[in-house]
Amino acid sequence: DIVMTQSPDSLAVSLGERATINCKSSQSVLYSSDNKNYLAWYQQKPGQPPKLLIYWASTRESGVPDRFSGSGSGTDFTLTISSLQAEDVALYYCQQYYSTPYTFGQGTKLEI
Amino acid sequence: QVQLQESGPGLVKPSETLSLTCTVSGGSIGSDYWSWIRQSPGKGLEWIGYIYYSGSTNYNPSLKSRVTISVDTSKNQFSLKLTSVTAADTAVYYCGRGDYYGRFDPWGQGTLVTVSS
Repeated sequence: DIVMTQSPDSLAVSLGERATINCKSSQSVLYSSDNKNYLAWYQQKPGQPPKLLIYWASTRESGVPDRFSGSGSGTDFTLTISSLQAEDVALYYCQQYYSTPYTFGQGTKLEI
Repeated sequence: QVQLQESGPGLVKPSETLSLTCTVSGGSIGSDYWSWIRQSPGKGLEWIGYIYYSGSTNYNPSLKSRVTISVDTSKNQFSLKLTSVTAADTAVYYCGRGDYYGRFDPWGQGTLVTVSS
């Protein structure tokens, strides 16, 4: 199985400041045939299911604010929130879909 | 837009079978891959497996010996059975629509299943 490890486990950022969450995979999730990173980010607010934010490591899902961005390739990835808003308080998870079993990071709790 | 809703018992006794159903509304189950994912404090998010509308399945090897996922296209539903449950199977169980690649969107609201006598 591909192990996904996120850092930090929790993060407190002031409103309007930048938040950065890291995700590392135990093996590359870059598929050579299409040069795509099979990596997604999800946001989970309290009492809600996870919501897909970003896929292919850097493509925002429709409707996701542009303050959210994803970067990285191979085994190291980053989710950045450029200017933190109150509604961004949530748990954030990375997920690899390079191979089954699909696996998730342990989550990062983002607070104000 | 597509919505999913889990249903089933919230309490299951140890060694018994956990059974859940996911009802899909706002779209047809006759496409895409339909997954079960669970979330527990100890193990985080864990993909259980998926079923394609045609009936083909793919299970997480860690649970494969105990899991069956089935689909009923006439009812726009798919189901999960997990046998021989223990306290370690206590979790919030989500159903979700997956695409060909393995991205999940949307998810159901989730249902808490507690394994206890």
